[in-house]
Parts: sequence; structure tokens; C-alpha cells
Amino acid sequence: GAVVSQHPSWVICKSGTSVKIECRSLDFQATTMFWYRQFPKQSLMLMATSNEGSKATYEQGVEKDKFLINHASLTLSTLTVTSAHPEDSSFYICSAKAPSYNEQFFGPGTRLTVL
Amino acid sequence: RKEVEQDPGPFNVPEGATVAFNCTYSNSASQSFFWYRQDCRKEPKLLMSVYSSGNEDGRFTAQLNRASQYISLLIRDSKLSDSATYLCVVGGTSGTYKYIFGTGTRLKVLA
Repeated sequence: GAVVSQHPSWVICKSGTSVKIECRSLDFQATTMFWYRQFPKQSLMLMATSNEGSKATYEQGVEKDKFLINHASLTLSTLTVTSAHPEDSSFYICSAKAPSYNEQFFGPGTRLTVL
Repeated sequence: RKEVEQDPGPFNVPEGATVAFNCTYSNSASQSFFWYRQDCRKEPKLLMSVYSSGNEDGRFTAQLNRASQYISLLIRDSKLSDSATYLCVVGGTSGTYKYIFGTGTRLKVLA
């Protein structure tokens, strides 16, 4: 149990376009989902915490108007990178947490390349 | 000072060796502690939670020292398949479920 999926697994886009990444908890209801970003040879950095039915909480330095997060249901959160630029190229990973679990379960990640 | 600090390595060890990784954290209010394993270009996977009493899972032993704000992971009888990056993760600060990741320690087990 506790499987989290992400879609797409990789995406290449042109500078200026917007990209939507989906994160789904497949076999549990996730009241809280997290979005991370990982640049090469660096660790995961938390971007925002997403609670179902409420606005996401962004970490310092993360632009909420650029990284739009929607957590419309207990099994789905989406991250939209608006007007993507090459510096947004990164590995985006989501995780999900259910009330009954003490840990976060991670999705397989989405590799974004902006040309 | 980083919130979670690890030696980035790499640690190159022969098969069968015992290797230990350390991690320190800065926030004494942290409540939960984990070791995750991350393979190249993959998501992190939970290796084990870490408790003050220490815990063991097969060849892996984790320890937490709250007084020194220090976490360790010991791997015995290293296998080639243990080659990965090991991430120290601290969470539960300020009543949140947020995780703070260390930069990871790279391990390469050599044949």
C-alpha cells in the first residue's frame, strides 16, 4: 500500500510555456501533500506544503505565482510551473501523507527540462 | 549553518565492509528522524525510521542521540546493491510534518 504516482515522468518544453505536474495517492487519502525540487548533486528542497481544500503554504524564496499548487481532492495535487525558464529545469518530486501514517510517501518524480 | 548536515562522501568501500554515516541537525525541537536511500535519478525511498532507543533492520542499524543532535546509520556486510546516496531526514518541527533533507552521503560498494 501507500503508493504515490506522478505524471508525467519527464517533460521537455520551450521557455515561456506552462507545465502541469500531477501527484496522486493511489491507495490512500492524502490530507497533506508536499512538493520538492532537486537540482543535480543537491538534496531535495521543500517548495510548498499542500493541504486538501486550502491554500498551499510556500517555503521562503518560492514564488507562489510561478509555482501554482492545487490540492482539490484527497488523492490529487497538481503543480503548475508557469512561464517556465531554463533555470526551472529540475527534478520535481511530490510526497503524500495520510493521517494514519507517520511518514511521507514519495512519488517517482518528474524531470523537467526547459529549453 | 545547514539545518541537516551530512558528509557528502563519496565513501568507496569493498564488499563485506562495515560503513557508518553520520548526520547532525540544528533544531532541537525536531520530532522525527529517518534515513532514506536515493538511487541515481530516482525518488527517495524510506530505509528506516530512527528512534532514541536505536533500531536495527537486518544489516542496517540506526541511532539517534538527541542530546548531541546526531543521527547515525551503520551498514554491515556491504553489498554491491547498497551503492546509493543515503539521505538523513529530520521532521516534525513546530508541529508540522515538513521534512528537512540533508544533502546525502554517497556510498559506492566495490567488488
